[in-house]
Amino acid sequence: EVQLVESGGGLVQPGGSLRLSCEASGFTFNSNWMSWVRQAPGKGPEWVANIKQDGSEKYYVDSVKGRFTISRDNAKNSLYLQMNSLRAEDTAVYYCASHNYYYFGMDVWGQGTTVTVSS
Amino acid sequence: IVMTQSPDSLAASLGERATINCKSSQSILSNSNNKNFLAWYQQKPGQPPKLLIYWASTRESGVPDRFSGSESGTDFTLTISSLQAEDVAVYYCQHYYSTPYTFGQGTKVEIK
Repeated sequence: EVQLVESGGGLVQPGGSLRLSCEASGFTFNSNWMSWVRQAPGKGPEWVANIKQDGSEKYYVDSVKGRFTISRDNAKNSLYLQMNSLRAEDTAVYYCASHNYYYFGMDVWGQGTTVTVSS
Repeated sequence: IVMTQSPDSLAASLGERATINCKSSQSILSNSNNKNFLAWYQQKPGQPPKLLIYWASTRESGVPDRFSGSESGTDFTLTISSLQAEDVAVYYCQHYYSTPYTFGQGTKVEIK
């Protein structure tokens, strides 16, 4: 079964850090670009970052540049998001998603992990 | 690239047609394969988005054929030809032409 499972979310104070993980199974993880997408309560999804198959290219939405770092470990079929200097506006459900190798749309999504930034 | 969806919500009777529009602020047509890098997603409460359509008009495997996508320049349309109860959800368009990959604001579809 094709699956993505996120973990690492929780409650953190403003200015704090969290590291999210996403474990992939059922498909060839190292063949696909991977993304993090977040969704604040009651809002639409927002793409956050993505990373190329070999980790050589990474892109971020402006609002997280310099604070978040995306990485992957293909040997562990895992994707990560290191989040530093967290702000209240980073509060959201964070999803990892896989880009289809052929058409690049995000065809596999995890169930998400919730990050709450509050004092 | 800004993606603008309309309407924000719609209500239609079971079996009726539902149409959602999406406009990109600039071309999202790839020079490499002449495809628009536009996807449509369905999201139900408590679930992640589900890919319905990619390349603006290609249905994802397993998606019922009542869902279709069309395109004209920078205008895109998702049509549900015969609305079913299980189609109640929020629908989003999204471009994946260049980063940041932005989503439309969403269209909530309900049964009248």
